Amino acid sequence: DAGVIQSPRHEVTEMGQEVTLRCKPISGHNSLFWYRQTMMRGLELLIYFNNNVPIDDSGMPEDRFSAKMPNASFSTLKIQPSEPRDSAVYFCASSLSGKSGIEQYFGPGTRLTVT
Amino acid sequence: AQKVTQAQTEISVVEKEDVTLDCVYETRDTTYYLFWYKQPPSGELVFLIRRNSFDEQNEISGRYSWNFQKSTSSFNFTITASQVVDSAVYFCALSGPSGGKLIFGQGTELSVKP
Repeated sequence: DAGVIQSPRHEVTEMGQEVTLRCKPISGHNSLFWYRQTMMRGLELLIYFNNNVPIDDSGMPEDRFSAKMPNASFSTLKIQPSEPRDSAVYFCASSLSGKSGIEQYFGPGTRLTVT
Repeated sequence: AQKVTQAQTEISVVEKEDVTLDCVYETRDTTYYLFWYKQPPSGELVFLIRRNSFDEQNEISGRYSWNFQKSTSSFNFTITASQVVDSAVYFCALSGPSGGKLIFGQGTELSVKP
């Protein structure tokens, strides 16, 4: 079975540019999560969707960040304009909500560098 | 508020030694879930185990074992006869009754030397 797929795996961009990160969750999973990992703050949730609806976006840093989930098999995280402090590894994860199987499975991550 | 504390930042052992990674959590929920994830040098996050708050039975999987104690709010992870391939950062995490958001600890970097 294919796991969570993220693209690109690496992204280097200049400050001020728009960045779009993409995620395809595991087929059949109904929850999707975006996390960010930095040395300073560790792993933190940015936003999560359940059945394509945003449930908790309290971790989204500011208006420069936006996330969409137009259907059950695709999500994007957009940063516009990007800043050097956005440099981090961004993980997408998916899970099947319910009494069993709530563990989240993570994609390989996108390493973003903003210069 | 929910919080996960992994007090050990780094641990270094020699191959075949046993090692225990500590995890202490805080939550006001009566139902919650605890997890361990492994992050090897390649960077991906690998799910290891999930425990429910109402099931304190310890679990063993090969060389891995987990000790869950609600009385001390701890969910410790022991690797028996460690191997070089166990070298990684290990994260303990907590979620609420409906799953959802994972609250991660800061991670423990385990180095197993040959």
